[in-house]
Amino acid sequence: EAQVTQNPRYLITVTGKKLTVTCSQNMNHEYMSWYRQDPGLGLRQIYYSMNVEVTDKGDVPEGYKVSRKEKRNFPLILESPSPNQTSLYFCASSPAGMNTEAFFGQGTRLTVV
Amino acid sequence: QKEVEQDPGPLSVPEGAIVSLNCTYSNSAFQYFMWYRQYSRKGPELLMYTYSSGNKEDGRFTAQVDKSSKYISLFIRDSQPSDSATYLCAMSGYNQGGKLIFGQGTELSVKP
Repeated sequence: EAQVTQNPRYLITVTGKKLTVTCSQNMNHEYMSWYRQDPGLGLRQIYYSMNVEVTDKGDVPEGYKVSRKEKRNFPLILESPSPNQTSLYFCASSPAGMNTEAFFGQGTRLTVV
Repeated sequence: QKEVEQDPGPLSVPEGAIVSLNCTYSNSAFQYFMWYRQYSRKGPELLMYTYSSGNKEDGRFTAQVDKSSKYISLFIRDSQPSDSATYLCAMSGYNQGGKLIFGQGTELSVKP
């Protein structure tokens, strides 16, 4: 089954404790991205990657890091989480740019206290 | 001003009603227009995809794009309780680096 898998689905952490949210896709897609979803703001892009070892900032990259060492994986790293990073996070992949159909993961609900 | 504006609702309709969802946008470079549906506790899934202006129909769903007015719509005919979800419009263009710009989403509830 074609899918984008995120882990964990739910996470509560404390300010400053480094964490990683994993994302993996099994569709051999080149393009992957991370979004955060907040009430009243919709989905906003954090980082994206057009291929292995190629990443770039989206609209709200501050406080986040990513890496793309393999085509299928695109982890999101929060080096020092803060309460304003409490949000619902989605990983997405598409064959070649988000102009084509994007497949989203199930989401990770992160709470930073 | 946001690039994409969407009425967040919530919108409540009786089963069988025709539903109209709308978005306006300001960036004339947008060429790709999409509607995503998001059920509670799930990720968005693509519902309709339109390139440039015009209409597209898929079963009970019709997407319309009016680039001259910078206005897109999604119509749902014979709405069902299973259509209850949040509907997100999304747009992109050649100069967007492959990024989708989303509206805030409209929460729809279809009552039996």
